[in-house]
Amino acid sequence: NAGVMQNPRHLVRRRGQEARLRCSPMKGHSHVYWYRQLPEEGLKFMVYLQKENIIDESGMPKERFSAEFPKEGPSILRIQQVVRGDSAAYFCASSQPTGSVGEQYFGPGTRLTVT
Amino acid sequence: AQTVTQSQPEMSVQEAETVTLSCTYDTSESDYYLFWYKQPPSRQMILVIRQEAYKQQNATENRFSVNFQKAAKSFSLKISDSQLGDAAMYFCAYRPIFGNEKLTFGTGTRLTIIP
Repeated sequence: NAGVMQNPRHLVRRRGQEARLRCSPMKGHSHVYWYRQLPEEGLKFMVYLQKENIIDESGMPKERFSAEFPKEGPSILRIQQVVRGDSAAYFCASSQPTGSVGEQYFGPGTRLTVT
Repeated sequence: AQTVTQSQPEMSVQEAETVTLSCTYDTSESDYYLFWYKQPPSRQMILVIRQEAYKQQNATENRFSVNFQKAAKSFSLKISDSQLGDAAMYFCAYRPIFGNEKLTFGTGTRLTIIP
């Protein structure tokens, strides 16, 4: 059973470009979470999605950031017009539906560098 | 809002010795989960141990155990017989059982193992 997959592992973008980060949850998991880790800091929650629904986006910046989890395919975190402050590691996690222990399994992360 | 505090930015321990990492949290909930995650240099987030707040018994996983003090809102991690592979960042995390499923992380403790 493959774990949570994220790609790319490393992404370099120039200021003003768009970044697309992909996350495929573990098989059987319908909940996806995105977290951001700035250098030398802990992980900060960004958004929580279920298939075709955004459940909680309270941690997402209001502008330039969006996320989706379509019926088919991976979850996408999209950052438009990237700035240097967006440089960070972005982690995706997945879990089974509510009612279980709620353990979240993390992917290896995507390290975004904005030049 | 829930907060998680790790007051030790760095810790070191001699190989084969025991070390305890501290974590305190603040919540108004009565039922919740607490976790310790390990992040080695590869940056992969690995679940080390989990505690359900409604369980009085402290969780144990091989060389890893916790001291959960619910009234004091304290959740420390004890690593026995420390090994070189234990060197990593360790993050304490909180999640309510009901409602919002996001994890709230502490700022982490960097653990160094001295050969």
